Order: sequence, then structure tokens, then C-alpha cells
Amino acid sequence: EPEVTQTPSHQVTQMGQEVILRCVPISNHLYFYWYRQILGQKVEFLVSFYNNEISEKSEIFDDQFSVERPDGSNFTLKIRSTKLEDSAMYFCASSEPRSEAFFGQGTRLTVV
Amino acid sequence: AQTVTQSQPEMSVQEAETVTLSCTYDTSENNYYLFWYKQPPSRQMILVIRQEAYKQQNATENRFSVNFQKAAKSFSLKISDSQLGDTAMYFCAFMKHGSVNRDDKIIFGKGTRLHILP
Repeated sequence: EPEVTQTPSHQVTQMGQEVILRCVPISNHLYFYWYRQILGQKVEFLVSFYNNEISEKSEIFDDQFSVERPDGSNFTLKIRSTKLEDSAMYFCASSEPRSEAFFGQGTRLTVV
Repeated sequence: AQTVTQSQPEMSVQEAETVTLSCTYDTSENNYYLFWYKQPPSRQMILVIRQEAYKQQNATENRFSVNFQKAAKSFSLKISDSQLGDTAMYFCAFMKHGSVNRDDKIIFGKGTRLHILP
């Protein structure tokens, strides 16, 4: 069964460093998303991506964040100059039009 | 703006019992989807069940079923014959019926932590 794959599963980084979280969406899906879940809290939408551009972003998704689909298969989330409060579980998801999103297993980001 | 409310932060039931998780939502949309996602301790998000708002029939997936009340904007999840493996966080979620050229984000409730006791 096709699945969304995220790497790494766990990333520890120093405050102020840049991190790139990687995702391989399901191959025939057209819509891609990043969500964030701070430990014990709700899952929050960050950004959606369609047709090689951002279609929507939340107020969380500020200039510190960027997304890219560099090679037609990978979908990346870059966080520049990480802060302690960026520590969270980051989920990538993809979907077909008008269908539920399938989530990856998540990347646990720890900023120290 | 759409909101999703789960009023039960935590619940515990004995194995083999039936449990119902509550969810209400607020929207002015007429066409949308509703989902229940399960998040076990591994923290992966797993789709349990989906419901299209235009369908009157309640969705069912094996031991999982929903009670969808569109007028009341209520979408509860019933788990029958609960099993230890059902222990997880359960999120109710809403998604607008997207337009042709774009889809829409999923909006999650805060979740209900469900413990199945042996």
C-alpha cells in the first residue's frame, strides 16, 4: 500500500540552526501539506502546496519557514534559525483532489 | 472560519465495551468531509473513518461507526467491542469540499485520549 514517507524520524538541532525536513508524498497525489503538533497539543496546519506553489499558509508559517518540491518527488520543509518553541512533531501529508489526507509517520524535531 | 470541538479530553473503558467519542463542528459550508484520525503512542496519524456531508448514511468501518447529524453539526465515533490496540488519541477533523483547482486544509479538534483497560 502506498504511503507517505518522512525523514528523519527524529532530528535534534541547536537553537539558531537551519533544519530541513523531508517528505516523499504518495506518487499520484497532487496536494501536499505540512502540519505541526507540539507535544500534547492539537495538530496545527502550517501550509498547503499545489501545482508547485503555496496555496495556503497559516499565521504560524512565517518567514522562518519555507517549502519546496525540488525534484518532483520530495517535498521539504525548511526552518531557518530554529527556536526552542519550534520543537514539535512535524507531519507531512498528501491527498488526491477532494479526498482525505494521508499522513507520514512524522518527524520529531527537538531544538536544544 | 471552521472550528472542531471535542469536549472529552480523556476517556477510559474496559476492553470489549462500546465507547462513543463526541465531536461537534461549526461551519457555514454545505459540502465538506469529516474524519476521525487515530494517533497511537507511535504518534502516527491513521485515518479511521470518513464521512461526506452529502451522504445521509452513516459511515462504518468494521468496529468503527459514526453518528453524523448534519443539522446539529455533530459527528460522534462509536467503537464497538473495544480492544487494547484501540488505546490512542482520537482526533475529529473537518475539511471543506475543495474547488477544482485546489483542495483545502484539514482542521483538527484537540483530541480525546482513549484508554482501553484490560
